[in-house]
Amino acid sequence: NAGVTQTPKFQVLKTGQSMTLQCAQDMNHEYMSWYRQDPGMGLRLIHYSVGAGITDQGEVPNGYNVSRSTTEDFPLRLLSAAPSQTSVYFCASSYLGQGFAFFGQGTRLTVV
Amino acid sequence: QQPVQSPQAVILREGEDAVINCSSSKALYSVHWYRQKHGEAPVFLMILLKGGEQKGHEKISASFNEKKQQSSLYLTASQLSYSGTYFCGTEQEDSSYKLIFGSGTRLLVRP
Repeated sequence: NAGVTQTPKFQVLKTGQSMTLQCAQDMNHEYMSWYRQDPGMGLRLIHYSVGAGITDQGEVPNGYNVSRSTTEDFPLRLLSAAPSQTSVYFCASSYLGQGFAFFGQGTRLTVV
Repeated sequence: QQPVQSPQAVILREGEDAVINCSSSKALYSVHWYRQKHGEAPVFLMILLKGGEQKGHEKISASFNEKKQQSSLYLTASQLSYSGTYFCGTEQEDSSYKLIFGSGTRLLVRP
C-alpha cells in the first residue's frame, strides 16, 4: 500500500516548456486534488476531481490542465511554464464526504 | 473563499497550551486540521463535521461552532514535536469537496 505517489520529486524547467506532474493513489479514493505551496505560504487549490471523468477548477487554475481517466491517476499538466509557477506541488486524495486528505510527498518545481 | 487563521505565529515553552483559530464568512460543511513540518507534506490531525462536534486525540483537540463558522484547535501541554505549521482547511456547504486552506499558523515549541 503506497498511498499517494508523486513523480518526479524535483524538476527544473525552462520558461515556455511543458511537462506533466504525475499523481497516483492505490486507496480507491474518489476525490483527488492538486495544490501548490509557495515558500512560507499556505496551500492553494489548483484543480480537483470527484471521480473518473470529472474535474473542476480550484482557486488558481490558470496555466494548468488536468484529466481523470482512471480512479487511480490524476496528472497535472503545465502548458507553458512560467517563473511564477515555481512552487512545491502537492497531490492529495480522499474518500468523498467524510474523508480526510492523504498528501503525496510533493514535487519541487523550479522554472528558470 | 479562504478561511482566516489566527494567530499567524505562536512561540511556546514546552508544557504550555495554545489555541489556533479558523474562521469563515461562508456556511461550512466541514473543517479539517493539518500539521506540516518544514520540507514535508501536510499530515492530517482531525476533521470536524457540521453539527458543532468536538473531537480530540490525546492532547490535541478541536471544536467547530457552526453558528459562527469558526473552529479552534487546542494544543495542551505542548511537546517539542508539536512544532510546525498548522493549517485549517474548510469545505463550504455550497461547494462540497472543494477543500480550501487558510494561510497557516506557525508554532514553535521551545525547551
